[in-house]
Amino acid sequence: GQQLNQSPQSMFIQEGEDVSMNCTSSSIFNTWLWYKQDPGEGPVLLIALYKAGELTSNGRLTAQFGITRKDSFLNISASIPSDVGIYFCAVKAAGNKLTFGGGTRVLVKP
Amino acid sequence: DGGITQSPKYLFRKEGQNVTLSCEQNLNHDAMYWYRQDPGQGLRLIYYSQIVNDFQKGDIAEGYSVSREKKESFPLTVTSAQKNPTAFYLCASSGDYNSPLHFGNGTRLTVT
Repeated sequence: GQQLNQSPQSMFIQEGEDVSMNCTSSSIFNTWLWYKQDPGEGPVLLIALYKAGELTSNGRLTAQFGITRKDSFLNISASIPSDVGIYFCAVKAAGNKLTFGGGTRVLVKP
Repeated sequence: DGGITQSPKYLFRKEGQNVTLSCEQNLNHDAMYWYRQDPGQGLRLIYYSQIVNDFQKGDIAEGYSVSREKKESFPLTVTSAQKNPTAFYLCASSGDYNSPLHFGNGTRLTVT
């Protein structure tokens, strides 16, 4: 199947910091999605992107759909402790199927 | 409240037994999906169904079976042929093609 490369695999945040993660593909996709998963729960949709170049915000989260349609990034501004979790990018393929990246695990700096 | 319900939350089985995971949605969504998640990994698609009485294999369907007899229900059976069944299983549904997937809270299956 399609492969999405998500980076970094993990990161540590300090409260108040801005953090960024990205997702790349070798193929073109017309829909990019960002989900967050808390431990033991299902992923929750954060932001959906439908147009190349589109920049969309949801509170402190901002995501962009790359102009080449092969990448996307997610920024979290002024991070807070509840931002910890796993963030997944996903792309929509034929049949409304989603292919997911490997996830970026966000942890709090000790 | 509308949503997707997966039950049970935790399931334990002995090797060699088939086990069925439940997924029910009251969102009136046509499409339903099953994903598998292993520790530290992303989600991989097992089976999906676009409409009642129809379903297709995903990327890792071997050792699994599904049925879609009712719009609101999409049970997944993990058969004894699945070599590594221990995992976190997530069910999802979506409305029309442009709608994102909504996920249940998962079932953690442990086979020993």
